[in-house]
Amino acid sequence: AQSVTQPDIHITVSEGASLELRCNYSYGATPYLFWYVQSPGQGLQLLLKYFSGDTLVQGIKGFEAEFKRSQSSFNLRKPSVHWSDAAEYFCAVADNYGQNFVFGPGTRLSVLP
Amino acid sequence: DAGITQSPRHKVTETGTPVTLRCHQTENHRYMYWYRQDPGHGLRLIHYSYGVKDTDKGEVSDGYSVSRSKTEDFLLTLESATSSQTSVYFCAIRELGSTTEAFFGQGTRLTVV
Repeated sequence: AQSVTQPDIHITVSEGASLELRCNYSYGATPYLFWYVQSPGQGLQLLLKYFSGDTLVQGIKGFEAEFKRSQSSFNLRKPSVHWSDAAEYFCAVADNYGQNFVFGPGTRLSVLP
Repeated sequence: DAGITQSPRHKVTETGTPVTLRCHQTENHRYMYWYRQDPGHGLRLIHYSYGVKDTDKGEVSDGYSVSRSKTEDFLLTLESATSSQTSVYFCAIRELGSTTEAFFGQGTRLTVV
């Protein structure tokens, strides 16, 4: 069974600074990886996904993520954070059969003015 | 936005009473999921369905049952609610295929007193 870890529970950055959120997965086969964002009191919105091809994927809101098979990682990045990016971010992995869809514990992002 | 409706959105119930949460979709997606979200745990899968009358357990299924008699509806039942089941519950839908993302409802906040 697959699993996901997000080592950082809470990250604080200043507005305009760069951001990297870490995600590590455990899965024996080719993983299908996703990043979601959740604003307070809201549901989850997809930022980006990776399933094959170019290991650097672009998403919405200026986010990108890089898949590194050797490190079992799928880290999320943004070059310049905006105050509206304050939210909780979840990494997820799907299995090859398309049924199981597992989330990490999430990283809460705070943005200082 | 994907057509997913969760009902009720908020519920307070007493320990030992049965509770049913409903997830309704208008997208005709094959897969439907129930997750619970708790601080520090992210989203944990309770049960999922891969078709009408086809369901399977997730990692935290104890104390929960589900039913899917129609493609569009996925019901989550707490047979006898306990305080440990106080949580926010999210329904998600997903089309067939391992590369497709899940779409989420707005969540149901359940409090068991």
